[in-house]
Amino acid sequence: DQQVKQNSPSLSVQEGRISILNCDYTNSMFDYFLWYKKYPAEGPTFLISISSIKDKNEDGRFTVFLNKSAKHLSLHIVPSQPGDSAVYFCAAIVGYTGANSKLTFGKGITLSVRP
Amino acid sequence: DTAVSQTPKYLVTQMGNDKSIKCEQNLGHDTMYWYKQDSKKFLKIMFSYNNKELIINETVPNRFSPKSPDKAHLNLHINSLELGDSAVYFCASSQWTDAGELFFGEGSRLTVL
Repeated sequence: DQQVKQNSPSLSVQEGRISILNCDYTNSMFDYFLWYKKYPAEGPTFLISISSIKDKNEDGRFTVFLNKSAKHLSLHIVPSQPGDSAVYFCAAIVGYTGANSKLTFGKGITLSVRP
Repeated sequence: DTAVSQTPKYLVTQMGNDKSIKCEQNLGHDTMYWYKQDSKKFLKIMFSYNNKELIINETVPNRFSPKSPDKAHLNLHINSLELGDSAVYFCASSQWTDAGELFFGEGSRLTVL
């Protein structure tokens, strides 16, 4: 029962171009969506989030777009840099506060940025 | 100074053995978690503790027993290890007011032979 789906296992882009990472979800109760980035042999680190009441959130080179009607979100990285090469996890949560809130993660997408 | 540290980073052991993984956070957070990343790469929550109290207990076999001696520490003990327990186990912490932003440790890779 995958509530958060990242259907593309990998993406390769040229340095300087845009990277678009996609994520779909099934649970309409999710009210926050997050992206985490993971380098090999390290734990995931928080990258950016978006509330379900918004459709866009931007932080520097990273922008997350949310389409609630399609239950779809995407992470845009512009411009892509070789240091962005990592695994990106999409995650969602019901209730951002509360000790009993729990993140549901997708399988991750491996992004490779070619110099 | 590592924010969330877990030890050991690697464990290789035989089926039937018992093993423990320790986790410590120095961020002052009140909530700690154990996540499991299996061979299919999904990160799934196993347990969460808030101020030493067990809050989330997903459908995890009784062989897994978490213990939180204080809010900065959360340990995981696994009895009678099975092949299917092979995975990377991540400890994480957060404030309950910010439950979406987790701080993860580097992970402990458990291999059961």
